[in-house]
Amino acid sequence: GAVVSQHPSRVICKSGTSVKIECRSLDFQATTMFWYRQFPKQSLMLMATSNEGSKATYEQGVEKDKFLINHASLTLSTLTVTSAHPEDSSFYICSATKLATSTDTQYFGPGTRLTVL
Amino acid sequence: QKEVEQDPGPLSVPEGAIVSLNCTYSNSAFQYFMWYRQYSRKGPELLMYTYSSGNKEDGRFTAQVDKSSKYISLFIRDSQPSDSATYLCAMSFYGNNRLAFGKGNQVVVIP
Repeated sequence: GAVVSQHPSRVICKSGTSVKIECRSLDFQATTMFWYRQFPKQSLMLMATSNEGSKATYEQGVEKDKFLINHASLTLSTLTVTSAHPEDSSFYICSATKLATSTDTQYFGPGTRLTVL
Repeated sequence: QKEVEQDPGPLSVPEGAIVSLNCTYSNSAFQYFMWYRQYSRKGPELLMYTYSSGNKEDGRFTAQVDKSSKYISLFIRDSQPSDSATYLCAMSFYGNNRLAFGKGNQVVVIP
């Protein structure tokens, strides 16, 4: 199997607070993890690519100081939305690719819905 | 021009009909092609994965890739209400994990 979990599944916070979202690969080691955001009826937009033990690579237009990514181990990556504002409200989804595979299949987590009041 | 074009729909079909979805792309270097299914408020689930041109069948699902036309398709036979979801095409280059997604196509199968 290739199961990816996210926690929490849903979070509501006040403007100005920070929110941490965890992404875990449960039954495999993930060489790379990805963070996406998705607005209603829109496709997934890649925010950053995270490799274990190194700094994340952010996509153009994504503020690295606002969206902090830590890839602590081969099974865990975290995304922290700092000083969240209502416009950060979105569906955040992580994905992971397996270690030692020549294919590029990404396995997605169930997503975290963030609502900033 | 976007890298991957996908008509967002929505597409409504009666139960039992064949669903036909497609994406076009502009970069001929794409080699891996995927279809994901996403239920409302859930993460995408990998449905089909193909490499380069050709067909792949898995149960009621068939994926086709035509690299010469830069065109990929997904067919769902004997569609069921449980197939109602958004279907996203995605593709990547060899040795590069970044996926380029289509917008997603919302499918509704009416009982």
